[in-house]
Amino acid sequence: EIVLTQSPGTLSLSPGERATLSCRAGQNVGTGYLAWYQQKPGQAPRLLIYAASSRATGIPDRFSGSGSGTDFTLTISRLEPEDSAVYYCQQYGYSPRTFGQGTKVEIK
Amino acid sequence: QVQVVQSGAEVKKPGASVKISCAASGYTFINYYMHWVRQAPGQGLEWMAIINPSGGGTNYAQKFQGTVTLTSDTSTSTVYMELSSLKSEDTAMYYCARGAFGSGSYGAFDSWGQGTLVTVSS
Repeated sequence: EIVLTQSPGTLSLSPGERATLSCRAGQNVGTGYLAWYQQKPGQAPRLLIYAASSRATGIPDRFSGSGSGTDFTLTISRLEPEDSAVYYCQQYGYSPRTFGQGTKVEIK
Repeated sequence: QVQVVQSGAEVKKPGASVKISCAASGYTFINYYMHWVRQAPGQGLEWMAIINPSGGGTNYAQKFQGTVTLTSDTSTSTVYMELSSLKSEDTAMYYCARGAFGSGSYGAFDSWGQGTLVTVSS
């Protein structure tokens, strides 16, 4: 199975700052079969980005995704208090689909 | 709009079985695969299985082969997951999620149920 490793484990930033989250795959995940999800406490995950860089419906443009092959990045350009959450990357190009272990974003 | 609604929380004893439902609405049920994802308390997300509601074809993660069974009912647009031989370590939140924005069965999970908490305790 494809292992996804996210870094850092926790990111603590102030409102308005830029957050950069990394996701590295153990092998090539194919042409953009990489997604990012946001999960807040007590809620189901929410799809933010699919195909590495396409924003899902209703997702603010401060969220952007990039990368290909084995290295992917989620960028939150200007953090807002409601962005406090755990963010997961996922590859869905191979079975079993796999998730990274998550990056927790804390807003100071 | 697309909605995915799961059945309520369950408490089961070790060795028992449980069947969770996932009812879809707001779209053509048979056109989208449905996935199941597990999240143990305080832990990350773990993909379990996928079903094609049109025809009922399934694929399970190796870890869940033999203890998880997925079925679908096109008359009610509902997918079911049965967990058997429950152990305490199966205590978790279980989510169903629709697969989309991809090719065939390989899509991102664009709509999630609210989750069903299964507690296994003697």
